[in-house]
Amino acid sequence: DAGITQSPRHKVTETGTPVTLRCHQTENHRYMYWYRQDPGHGLRLIHYSYGVKDTDKGEVSDGYSVSRSKTEDFLLTLESATSSQTSVYFCAISEGTEYSPLHFGNGTRLTVT
Amino acid sequence: ELKVEQNPLFLSMQEEKNYTIYCNYSTTSDRLYWYRQDPGKSLESLFVLLSNGAVKQEGRLMASLDTKARLSTLHITAAVHDLSATYFCAVDPYYFSGGGADGLTFGKGTHLIIQP
Repeated sequence: DAGITQSPRHKVTETGTPVTLRCHQTENHRYMYWYRQDPGHGLRLIHYSYGVKDTDKGEVSDGYSVSRSKTEDFLLTLESATSSQTSVYFCAISEGTEYSPLHFGNGTRLTVT
Repeated sequence: ELKVEQNPLFLSMQEEKNYTIYCNYSTTSDRLYWYRQDPGKSLESLFVLLSNGAVKQEGRLMASLDTKARLSTLHITAAVHDLSATYFCAVDPYYFSGGGADGLTFGKGTHLIIQP
């Protein structure tokens, strides 16, 4: 497995609370991504990063923010969690060439009650 | 907006049979990726297809890419139960942007069940 660790693996939180998910990599890859996976939707890109402090929005970025202060860490924050953000969140990393596919972490299952 | 459509979305088949999963996409791209996901697990990269006519094979799985038709196929030969999983295709939509790796757009996945 690529050296990607997501934490926590499971979380239950209440509507309106802030939540931060962490992705840590040991591969020194430049690119990092946050996706969410929902039944019937496949995987959808939330935010991505192309370097320290360099981030951009993906397809479904509303309600989410990210930060990358170190190459190895990419944080996803739900500013005020809503039930629609109940999902499985995957972090992925890439070297950024066409030959290198995305490598995914094991996911975080988030439930917002 | 790039659209990636897989079909079928659900497939139940018997062992030893052959079948094909189709992945159509709506924009020009010659970078397509196939992934496998087992229930409750992460996604595993299967194939990287980077040019028109590319064909890759691994065991009973073979993937191909026709960029003119904007179509990729994943063919399963003589299926076995261990191939039961969800299969995703994903397209790189920014090939012509000259930029970096801006993320892949995924299809909704094909849930494959192979029965003895």
